[in-house]
Amino acid sequence: GESVGLHLPTLSVQEGDNSIINCAYSNSASDYFIWYKQESGKGPQFIIDIRSNMDKRQGQRVTVLLNKTVKHLSLQIAATQPGDSAVYFCAENYGGATNKLIFGTGTLLAVQP
Amino acid sequence: ETGVTQTPRHLVMGMTNKKSLKCEQHLGHNAMYWYKQSAKKPLELMFVYNFKEQTENNSVPSRFSPECPNSSHLFLHLHTLQPEDSALYLCASSQDRSEAFFGQGTRLTVV
Repeated sequence: GESVGLHLPTLSVQEGDNSIINCAYSNSASDYFIWYKQESGKGPQFIIDIRSNMDKRQGQRVTVLLNKTVKHLSLQIAATQPGDSAVYFCAENYGGATNKLIFGTGTLLAVQP
Repeated sequence: ETGVTQTPRHLVMGMTNKKSLKCEQHLGHNAMYWYKQSAKKPLELMFVYNFKEQTENNSVPSRFSPECPNSSHLFLHLHTLQPEDSALYLCASSQDRSEAFFGQGTRLTVV
């Protein structure tokens, strides 16, 4: 992936299992959070977002949980598939009228067939 | 495709060259962004434009010069770069603070 060279945390799961990717954010004023997936040779792809007035949001096979008390975000992927293998980034936003996204270092998800 | 197109996809340039990266978005968004992704760091925000006006310059060296002639186009002009500037340069767009969509990036190598 594009983050080769970084010492990325790696999560290795079996196909069909559920995956949980965690992220700690830094700014208590952040009010909008996004999870991105980045495959090798591609730009980050939007997965799901959540605003600070919510603590849970569900999409297709994905769920994001937000715990503002401890500034923690998680992404749950149900029935993980080989195509889910990628680097996953969380991003926090505390900008004004536009997105001032601050990204975490990312987690490499490796799905074993 | 996300609706954000970047050209070129790959660029090799010498330290004395001048080149430009181009980004075009077809989503009708009002905000555009440049990010840098290097091998040893997370994605870094460089510049933000809102309705063609620059609203954020994240302490980027002057050898990187952005230009936003309209809400659909964004350029990054490069001159006298250093080898450590080699990275993936990503453009993104959004409508206000809704989700940002990224292009595929330009892989830049400075020799």
